[in-house]
Amino acid sequence: DSGVTQTPKHLITATGQRVTLRCSPRSGDLSVYWYQQSLDQGLQFLIQYYNGEERAKGNILERFSAQQFPDLHSELNLSSLELGDSALYFCASSARDFQETQYFGPGTRLLVL
Amino acid sequence: AQSVAQPEDQVNVAEGNPLTVKCTYSVSGNPYLFWYVQYPNRGLQFLLKYITGDNLVKGSYGFEAEFNKSQTSFHLKKPSALVSDSALYFCAVRDINNAGNMLTFGGGTRLMVKP
Repeated sequence: DSGVTQTPKHLITATGQRVTLRCSPRSGDLSVYWYQQSLDQGLQFLIQYYNGEERAKGNILERFSAQQFPDLHSELNLSSLELGDSALYFCASSARDFQETQYFGPGTRLLVL
Repeated sequence: AQSVAQPEDQVNVAEGNPLTVKCTYSVSGNPYLFWYVQYPNRGLQFLLKYITGDNLVKGSYGFEAEFNKSQTSFHLKKPSALVSDSALYFCAVRDINNAGNMLTFGGGTRLMVKP
């Protein structure tokens, strides 16, 4: 167990809908990362927050947004969902930022029908 | 841009034999390199990392990896494979010239250890 928690574990929804994925980092970790794992795109970095501020952005669609709250938990919001958004979404956390090891949560499996 | 290649989709090895999972990388500056393992229906588990120093890095569960700068490789190795090592293995790189701490992952290599 990495100490990173994600809810929900599974999510089934319809196209056009909006969902929110939640992540609680390991105790004391300031950085939170979101990754998407799909069969065709593999594991892709979406976005990183460090102590509440956006730190780095990857291949995140404009329909997706994230934030990190004062208690350091993070939420990933996915809107106007499409079939292709079906994937496993991972959250990871690290103590700080530079060169730190990232520890991954169990993931949220999203199925868009 | 940074990239990682894992040239083998699957590696098959008999239990007790040594195993190697290959990884090559491309970065503009010095790399930070990582190996993670993913078991079915689980998240990624950290195995080991290379930041600087000794080119041979030892990690969890008896795994080790060798950093080779001239060949831009970071192959994962284990002297004696176990059936329980069967899983999906990912190599990842972080370019120190990039802002933040984003990792770029390879496509993954499925390791099958047969009794």
